[in-house]
Amino acid sequence: DGGITQSPKYLFRKEGQNVTLSCEQNLNHDAMYWYRQDPGQGLRLIYYSQIVNDFQKGDIAEGYSVSREKKESFPLTVTSAQKNPTAFYLCASSILGETQYFGPGTRLLVL
Amino acid sequence: GENVEQHPSTLSVQEGDSAVIKCTYSDSASNYFPWYKQELGKRPQLIIDIRSNVGEKKDQRIAVTLNKTAKHFSLHITETQPEDSAVYFCAASLYNNDMRFGAGTRLTVKP
Repeated sequence: DGGITQSPKYLFRKEGQNVTLSCEQNLNHDAMYWYRQDPGQGLRLIYYSQIVNDFQKGDIAEGYSVSREKKESFPLTVTSAQKNPTAFYLCASSILGETQYFGPGTRLLVL
Repeated sequence: GENVEQHPSTLSVQEGDSAVIKCTYSDSASNYFPWYKQELGKRPQLIIDIRSNVGEKKDQRIAVTLNKTAKHFSLHITETQPEDSAVYFCAASLYNNDMRFGAGTRLTVKP
């Protein structure tokens, strides 16, 4: 999982602001995923993409948006519609049907 | 959709003892069951996985068993060491898509 990176490590959001979290992988993986992790809880799927220019909603997609214009990149935008965005955001990638490998995460805090 | 329950939520053992964490899943079609270890503030790391055509898999001190009939799978760690202390997550999915995670087990190994 050294081939999957996320930036920034910490991100601060003001009220009403949209922010974008970056996820890049050089593993040539077709599939990419975004998860949200709240303190003391498991991972919840936000969005996933199995192929360029296509993505599906997970369990908690409301207030988030994604794009998959390149195979290597799957950015996540946390919109102002997401009223409780404070969490640890994890991106993952995989070969279709194989193990998911996680990036180091972005911790989003609200000012 | 799939629902994964994980027990116990916390587990404390003495160094050298065994630890067992259990998960149940709801969708009988699920065929891929990974286990991840997450240290504080870090990314989840895959430690072992099993597919539905296998009943048991072992890797040194770690083993996973799967009972498809009962729809449950378990992680077994033998000869525990302090560095095994972490949060462990189970997950279930169909062909690694739309993966669902358990809520996690915080394992503490006391020296």
